[in-house]
Amino acid sequence: AQTVTQSQPEMSVQEAETVTLSCTYDTSESDYYLFWYKQPPSRQMILVIRQEAYKQQNATENRFSVNFQKAAKSFSLKISDSQLGDAAMYFCAYRSSGGADGLTFGKGTHLIIQP
Amino acid sequence: DTGVSQDPRHKITKRGQNVTFRCDPISEHNRLYWYRQTLGQGPEFLTYFQNEAQLEKSRLLSDRFSAERPKGSFSTLEIQRTEQGDSAMYLCASTMAGELFFGEGSRLTVL
Repeated sequence: AQTVTQSQPEMSVQEAETVTLSCTYDTSESDYYLFWYKQPPSRQMILVIRQEAYKQQNATENRFSVNFQKAAKSFSLKISDSQLGDAAMYFCAYRSSGGADGLTFGKGTHLIIQP
Repeated sequence: DTGVSQDPRHKITKRGQNVTFRCDPISEHNRLYWYRQTLGQGPEFLTYFQNEAQLEKSRLLSDRFSAERPKGSFSTLEIQRTEQGDSAMYLCASTMAGELFFGEGSRLTVL
């Protein structure tokens, strides 16, 4: 079974600064997808960024980018120019490429933005 | 269509009562998922439907839990004889392929 580990329960960053959230995972599969989801307080979870394991190039979405290290099974999220609206729980998630299995989530990292 | 909607948003019940949650997915999405999220944890997969067929169930889904998706549209999740350990946020998500779109969740408190 796949597992996803987020070792940082909470992170704090000054507004406009850069922060990196860590995620490691364990799998025996070679093809899969990785995701970062954001869950603001009392709001629904929304997709921040996704990465296909077969792609070597790291995904980027505006101020959000990932550092995907397949051999190390590491998938960190970098948020540049942090904004107050970035404050939320961030979840790293894994999905097998075959079939329609649900996502396996980590425990999350609570991101605090200091004004 | 504004996204995945869940009802009720909050439910407080006494131990031993039955509760039912409803999820209305995005209309063209054929896959629907239920997750459970407890405080301080990430969501845990419960079950998923492709159209009206329930294709996978987690071992977390005990006999007291039942989910349906009649006609492949909305879905219901029923918990019978609730226990305090059932207190959690129940999340629904839908997809056509790839990205999951989540609802805001139904929070259950069992007293």
